[in-house]
Amino acid sequence: QKEVEQDPGPLSVPEGAIVSLNCTYSNSAFQYFMWYRQYSRKGPELLMYTYSSGNKEDGRFTAQVDKSSKYISLFIRDSQPSDSATYLCAMSAVGGTSYGKLTFGQGTILTVHP
Amino acid sequence: DTEVTQTPKHLVMGMTNKKSLKCEQHMGHRAMYWYKQKAKKPPELMFVYSYEKLSINESVPSRFSPECPNSSLLNLHLHALQPEDSALYLCASSYLGLAGGGYYNEQFFGPGTRLTVL
Repeated sequence: QKEVEQDPGPLSVPEGAIVSLNCTYSNSAFQYFMWYRQYSRKGPELLMYTYSSGNKEDGRFTAQVDKSSKYISLFIRDSQPSDSATYLCAMSAVGGTSYGKLTFGQGTILTVHP
Repeated sequence: DTEVTQTPKHLVMGMTNKKSLKCEQHMGHRAMYWYKQKAKKPPELMFVYSYEKLSINESVPSRFSPECPNSSLLNLHLHALQPEDSALYLCASSYLGLAGGGYYNEQFFGPGTRLTVL
């Protein structure tokens, strides 16, 4: 079993839809959670970063973390064609040999069509 | 400046060549990373430098040789690569340590170098 599971999709939605992207994890040492967006043939771009359970909002994006269920989500409201990309969840533990190591999900390919 | 830059954007090399990838950041980050990414896969960590010292080597073959000349620069020296080493090579950087009750581990990625080994 992978430490981080992410549905690879692909996910196709109409413009304006609410998109929900999810990851589950098995390592209870993970304390920090990130979502990256990666356009084709580009580097990943950090969208959201959180280290506590609950919701964090930034514009059309909301990151949700439920540590008791080991489940994280990214919601995109009013999705746009420019949101079409691969979305990667990533997480890390604290200190020791885990320092600096991100564990990524497999990535979900999202297409928003006009 | 909130950018990580990488050069070159594209590189084609033969199996006997020696080449280098370069990465630069001016955000004051003291951790820098090399990742390898194959198509439709997430990035795989190769090396981590903390305060210009190599702190993590993820059992990377010796044909990849990292170097951190100063806190802003990171190089990856390539020699005698194999065709299966063709991939997107990503550099990232982050702050280190604790501050304000939080723990820095947000990593900022560069655009990558697309490497093809013939």
